[in-house]
Amino acid sequence: DAGITQSPRHKVTETGTPVTLRCHQTENHRYMYWYRQDPGHGLRLIHYSYGVKDTDKGEVSDGYSVSRSKTEDFLLTLESATSSQTSVYFCAISDKGADSYEQYFGPGTRLTVT
Amino acid sequence: KQEVTQIPAALSVPEGENLVLNCSFTDSAIYNLQWFRQDPGKGLTSLLLIQSSQREQTSGRLNASLDKSSGRSTLYIAASQPGDSATYLCAVSPQAAGNKLTFGGGTRVLVKP
Repeated sequence: DAGITQSPRHKVTETGTPVTLRCHQTENHRYMYWYRQDPGHGLRLIHYSYGVKDTDKGEVSDGYSVSRSKTEDFLLTLESATSSQTSVYFCAISDKGADSYEQYFGPGTRLTVT
Repeated sequence: KQEVTQIPAALSVPEGENLVLNCSFTDSAIYNLQWFRQDPGKGLTSLLLIQSSQREQTSGRLNASLDKSSGRSTLYIAASQPGDSATYLCAVSPQAAGNKLTFGGGTRVLVKP
């Protein structure tokens, strides 16, 4: 299994509070991604990073920000959590090995906003 | 905008039967296609990746085919086992951005002993 950890694994927070989720990798992969998974919507890309301090928006980026100060860490921040951000969040990594960009996923963080 | 569809959403088969899972996509200008498995409450596990220049990939009992021109991929799982019960997702990336995946909704598979 690819060395990807996410923390915390579960979190319950109140509406309006800031929340930061962390993704840590030990594979030295260049690309890192944050997805959310919701019933009826599947997996959707929030933000991704293509290098230290290089990030870009995905399909559902509103209300989220990211930062990557080291190759191994990618942080997802909800500045002011809303109930619509209750979801399961997955981090993924990839590299351009053999031209494939094959993605590997972390175990997920279940976030509940009350 | 790329759309990825997996039909049916759920499938139940007796143990030993071959599984056939379908994935269709609307834009044939893809970089690669990836099949994943997801167990309840877990992350996604990569099963197979097919690059746009390839027609199929095989790994053990799994075989995935790709027909870009018709916008279809099929995942075959031979001689299914109860341990194959899971949700299977396909995802495609565009030629212009090989690292950005668009996912289908998945097919939930139950293999009955």
